[in-house]
Amino acid sequence: QSVLTQPPSASGTPGQTFSTSCSGSSSNIGGNYVHWYQQLPGAAPKLLIYRNNQRPSGVPDRFSGSKSGTSASLTISGLRSEDEADYYCATWDDSLSGPVFGAGTKLTV
Amino acid sequence: QVQLRESGPGLVKPSETLSLSCTVSGTSITSYYWSWIRQAPGRGLEWIGYVYYTGSTEYNPSLKSRVTISLDTSKQQFSLELKSVTAADTAVYYCARGYCSSAICPQGSYFDFWGQGSLVPVSS
Repeated sequence: QSVLTQPPSASGTPGQTFSTSCSGSSSNIGGNYVHWYQQLPGAAPKLLIYRNNQRPSGVPDRFSGSKSGTSASLTISGLRSEDEADYYCATWDDSLSGPVFGAGTKLTV
Repeated sequence: QVQLRESGPGLVKPSETLSLSCTVSGTSITSYYWSWIRQAPGRGLEWIGYVYYTGSTEYNPSLKSRVTISLDTSKQQFSLELKSVTAADTAVYYCARGYCSSAICPQGSYFDFWGQGSLVPVSS
């Protein structure tokens, strides 16, 4: 059971704006950066958002992230069928002294 | 371009040691935090541990007693050993590069490059 809480599943339609959440505590999200990873079916995870709201080179600006207090969110605008994937939030946990992942949200488009 | 590739036996018996290597290309291994992360079938991601380029290590407390991660800079490789495995250790094992652009490291680090993953079943 992860210390970061994500909804297990979600769905959306093409063109829609989709958001998903990641909830933690003061020992993880509250004091550290949040990162997001996209895992397409059968593939390795890929960095999608780092340091709360930064996009790596090559990630479309349809993807955005934000953080407030002990929660974070990932937003995808102009949803596409190829966005169908598992999305994981991650951050550092001060109690663990290491990174932790949420259990992931499976997005169906 | 940066590439990581896992290699190792495809099957491990219960009570034995799981050993994997990750070969790094396109970047120097003498920097960054080199991590192992695993994903049990149908489950989420679990951080196993990392080795810093200096050789220092940190492990997930839940696995610490059974894990060793080491670095071989001459081969541009880092390795994972997990002792006394059980069926619960069956997973896809990923190696990843931990990059820290923050003033506070490794807390500010994130995994910017991943290997393709290596499925390791634990079965007799």
